[in-house]
Amino acid sequence: KAGVTQTPRYLIKTRGQQVTLSCSPISGHRSVSWYQQTPGQGLQFLFEYFSETQRNKGNFPGRFSGRQFSNSRSEMNVSTLELGDSALYLCASSFRLAQETQYFGPGTRLLVL
Amino acid sequence: QKEVEQDPGPLSVPEGAIVSLNCTYSNSAFQYFMWYRQYSRKGPELLMYTYSSGNKEDGRFTAQVDKSSKYISLFIRDSQPSDSATYLCAMSAPDAGGTSYGKLTFGQGTILTVHP
Repeated sequence: KAGVTQTPRYLIKTRGQQVTLSCSPISGHRSVSWYQQTPGQGLQFLFEYFSETQRNKGNFPGRFSGRQFSNSRSEMNVSTLELGDSALYLCASSFRLAQETQYFGPGTRLLVL
Repeated sequence: QKEVEQDPGPLSVPEGAIVSLNCTYSNSAFQYFMWYRQYSRKGPELLMYTYSSGNKEDGRFTAQVDKSSKYISLFIRDSQPSDSATYLCAMSAPDAGGTSYGKLTFGQGTILTVHP
């Protein structure tokens, strides 16, 4: 069974631009969560989606948004990029909403110049 | 103070050693406890998960949870050079509706090197 896939794998943007990242969960998995990983803050939860609805949200500004499609694929968007948004963005999927085990993709590495 | 504290190391051990990795936490609502392994430039890989207190063993790995002390551990027996990676503890509590455990709170990660 294929794992979680994320596209693109690497991205370079400039301050003020916006970016959209994509995540395809493991086949059959319906819950998708997003995390930001930086050397200083570690892994931090962004949001969780299930059945196209946001179920949980972390402490990030409104510039960070996401959505989930009917096929469980998910996208996250960051508008008005700041230098501090440079990070590895990780997507994780699980079979159902109240499942404690999440499986991570390889991440998208975003560099903001 | 962070909800989950993990010694970042780095930790360097010889091949064959027993490795002990630990995390402490402050949120008593955490119910699920996980250990992930992350190789350089890869996403975290789930190693083990435990519900509430107790021990769980899987091959060379043993996870322990002591909720009374708010302390979790991962032991690696007969460590191998291929175990060299960053180890992350993670925990989750139910959301307000009790329907989701999807928000994982991570420790900072411990960098482990096993040398031949």
